[in-house]
Amino acid sequence: DAGITQSPRHKVTETGTPVTLRCHQTENHRYMYWYRQDPGHGLRLIHYSYGVKDTDKGEVSDGYSVSRSKTEDFLLTLESATSSQTSVYFCAIGDRGPRSGNTIYFGEGSWLTVV
Amino acid sequence: GQQVMQIPQYQHVQEGEDFTTYCNSSTTLSNIQWYKQRPGGHPVFLIQLVKSGEVKKQKRLTFQFGEAKKNSSLHITATQTTDVGTYFCAGIGGATNKLIFGTGTLLAVQP
Repeated sequence: DAGITQSPRHKVTETGTPVTLRCHQTENHRYMYWYRQDPGHGLRLIHYSYGVKDTDKGEVSDGYSVSRSKTEDFLLTLESATSSQTSVYFCAIGDRGPRSGNTIYFGEGSWLTVV
Repeated sequence: GQQVMQIPQYQHVQEGEDFTTYCNSSTTLSNIQWYKQRPGGHPVFLIQLVKSGEVKKQKRLTFQFGEAKKNSSLHITATQTTDVGTYFCAGIGGATNKLIFGTGTLLAVQP
């Protein structure tokens, strides 16, 4: 498996609190992604990064922000968590852009529950 | 925006039966990828198709990319219990670099 570590793996938080999920990679891949997975919706792209300090919005970016200050770390922040953000969050990495036919590798996932 | 739909959402088969899942995009795709996610696990890359009409095989799995590059299929011959999981297609359409996943097909295989 690719060297991807997500933390925390499980978290329960209260509505209105800020939450940060961390994705750390040891593969030196340029591209990093955050997806959320919910029943009936499959995997939906939240944000992605194509280099240090270079990020772009995905399909469901409202309520989320990201930062990438180093190649190896991609942070996903929920500024004020809501119950609708209860989900499984997957980080993924790739060494080339999606148009180059890049295979992406997923982390183990972070289970977030907002109560 | 780009949408990728998969059918069926769920399929239950007896071991040994064949299985097919279909992926349809609202836009022309530059390439399409397929992933498998075991229950409780994370998605794992299976294959990528790039050319119009392309067909690729991996043992009992056959992948096709449509001539118009807007649809794709995954066919499993003689399913086994190890095939259980959710199968996702993913593709990029238009001018974006966003890899959009389909809604997935959950395959259950009864021994």
